[in-house]
Amino acid sequence: DADVTQTPRNRITKTGKRIMLECSQTKGHDRMYWYRQDPGLGLQLIYYSFDVKDINKGEISDGYSVSRQAQAKFSLSLESAIPNQTALYFCATSDGSSRFDNEQFFGPGTRLTVL
Amino acid sequence: ELKVEQNPLFLSMQEGKNYTIYCNYSTTSDRLYWYRQDPGKSLESLFVLLSNGAVKQEGRLMASLDTKARLSTLHITAAVHDLSATYFCAVNSGGSNYKLTFGKGTLLTVNP
Repeated sequence: DADVTQTPRNRITKTGKRIMLECSQTKGHDRMYWYRQDPGLGLQLIYYSFDVKDINKGEISDGYSVSRQAQAKFSLSLESAIPNQTALYFCATSDGSSRFDNEQFFGPGTRLTVL
Repeated sequence: ELKVEQNPLFLSMQEGKNYTIYCNYSTTSDRLYWYRQDPGKSLESLFVLLSNGAVKQEGRLMASLDTKARLSTLHITAAVHDLSATYFCAVNSGGSNYKLTFGKGTLLTVNP
């Protein structure tokens, strides 16, 4: 089984709809991240969480919200989807212990299309 | 604000040739990561570079880090078609923050 899973894998929705993307991990990592990937732009950080009670905005948080329901679960919501939020969304996790490299491990991605 | 620049953004190579991808970053950082992404797939970690002068090799890929020059290189030796992918470098924003800033990626195509 994959260590980092994302659901759904593909989603087509309409402008104005509320959408939730979910991420679960079995790696036991404390840190979780949501990224957005657009062609030719690399990955941009939306939100990140260092533990259940610590949630922080990334570079492009406007129009998005998150919830860290448990150490293993981190959800991303689009309250009112708009077409320019069409993108590939990745969840990632890392171990924040100083003995590790904070290497981030990525989920398979969710392809979201907003019509 | 940390900026990460990769070049080239597009690279078409013949099998058997050598080439280098460059990753420059704008502010001091203590660690740099290289990732590979196949089309439509997730990102796979290739290398983690933690100190000045660090060099890591895996198969035909070798990565190095020069923190004084704020430069990392990913060298490809005797390219093969299976190396065709997009390669990203990502730089830690510093300290215990551990936020990564990604370059735009280098799309590598290895032709027979």
